[in-house]
Amino acid sequence: GENVEQHPSTLSVQEGDSAVIKCTYSDSASNYFPWYKQELGKGPQLIIDIRSNVGEKKDQRIAVTLNKTAKHFSLHITETQPEDSAVYFCAVRTTGFQKLVFGTGTRLLVSP
Amino acid sequence: GAGVSQTPSNKVTEKGKYVELRCDPISGHTALYWYRQSLGQGPEFLIYFQGTGAADDSGLPNDRFFAVRPEGSVSTLKIQRTERGDSAVYLCASSARDGGELFFGEGSRLTVL
Repeated sequence: GENVEQHPSTLSVQEGDSAVIKCTYSDSASNYFPWYKQELGKGPQLIIDIRSNVGEKKDQRIAVTLNKTAKHFSLHITETQPEDSAVYFCAVRTTGFQKLVFGTGTRLLVSP
Repeated sequence: GAGVSQTPSNKVTEKGKYVELRCDPISGHTALYWYRQSLGQGPEFLIYFQGTGAADDSGLPNDRFFAVRPEGSVSTLKIQRTERGDSAVYLCASSARDGGELFFGEGSRLTVL
């Protein structure tokens, strides 16, 4: 089955810096790559997603890039703010399946 | 309601007991998912419903776990003979269509003593 690895497990940055989180996946048939933000005691919330026919997508301070050949995708957050502090998960969906396979998460801490 | 609603938010039970966890999806969402999240881990897929039928139950860990969605809306996850290893947050998500965005509830935290 699909295997998703996520790095780093923790990331500390100063307010205003950029943050980058990377994920790799194993199944070349994967076609949907969402990123979720999870705050303490809450369920995951979708922040951005990308499909396999697109290489990059941007939404204000958040962007995702996809390299299908290398089977990895990354989340980029610019001008980080303290409220960006949370756990971020990447996920992968494979063609023919509806389930998402999640990475192990990255705890992002943005210090004022 | 505006979002996915899960009850109870917290459940403490003793080893060997039976528990039921309820999920009320966003109105009109036909797809419903159950995931399990252990401490420090990402959500792990359990089961997916499209309408009333379980279209993919490949993530259920064993036959102690069962889920139903009899009218295509509310779903119940049932766990028999609970074990300490079942302790986790059980997340429910719904989607308006196959391949659409998943909206998660806040989860039910299960603790088995």
